[in-house]
Amino acid sequence: DAGVIQSPRHEVTEMGQEVTLRCKPISGHDYLFWYRQTMMRGLELLIYFNNNVPIDDSGMPEDRFSAKMPNASFSTLKIQPSEPRDSAVYFCASSAGHEQFFGPGTRLTVL
Amino acid sequence: SQQGEEDPQALSIQEGENATMNCSYKTSINNLQWYRQNSGRGLVHLILIRSNEREKHSGRLRVTLDTSKKSSSLLITASRAADTASYFCATDENYGQNFVFGPGTRLSVLP
Repeated sequence: DAGVIQSPRHEVTEMGQEVTLRCKPISGHDYLFWYRQTMMRGLELLIYFNNNVPIDDSGMPEDRFSAKMPNASFSTLKIQPSEPRDSAVYFCASSAGHEQFFGPGTRLTVL
Repeated sequence: SQQGEEDPQALSIQEGENATMNCSYKTSINNLQWYRQNSGRGLVHLILIRSNEREKHSGRLRVTLDTSKKSSSLLITASRAADTASYFCATDENYGQNFVFGPGTRLSVLP
């Protein structure tokens, strides 16, 4: 298995632009998590899905952030409009139990 | 909310020495996990310990759990330069499915 796949690996955009991050979880995993990691705040859970249904989105910072999981093999995290403070590494992880498998992350820079 | 808190924040040791990292948490848990993150990579699961277990081993890793003190420790024996990474504990806050990660301990193993 290729593991969790994220794209793009790096994204540089300007303030006000829309950003879409993509994730393909490991086949057969029924949980999908989106995290954000910064030096200041560490690793923060943004939202997680179970069987494609959002379970807890209390970590989503504000309405500019939205996440979808249209099917078991694909999820997106969208930021619209983006702001410099959104600059971070965004990780997607999937699991079939307690162990979470993380993707390589997307490094987002908002200028 | 941040459930696990690792201590120390940073640790520097010589190759061959043992490294001990501690994690404290606040609420009742079912499981506690330790993860490793190499620079620029996603987190990798190391070991899971259940609340009814006191100690668990995996290769050079030894994890202990003291639920009365709400704390856990990760011991890496005979450290190697390749063990240089950040180490995170994660707890299932209030028995939830999502695991909350602490800020991590940065371990540097000097050759």
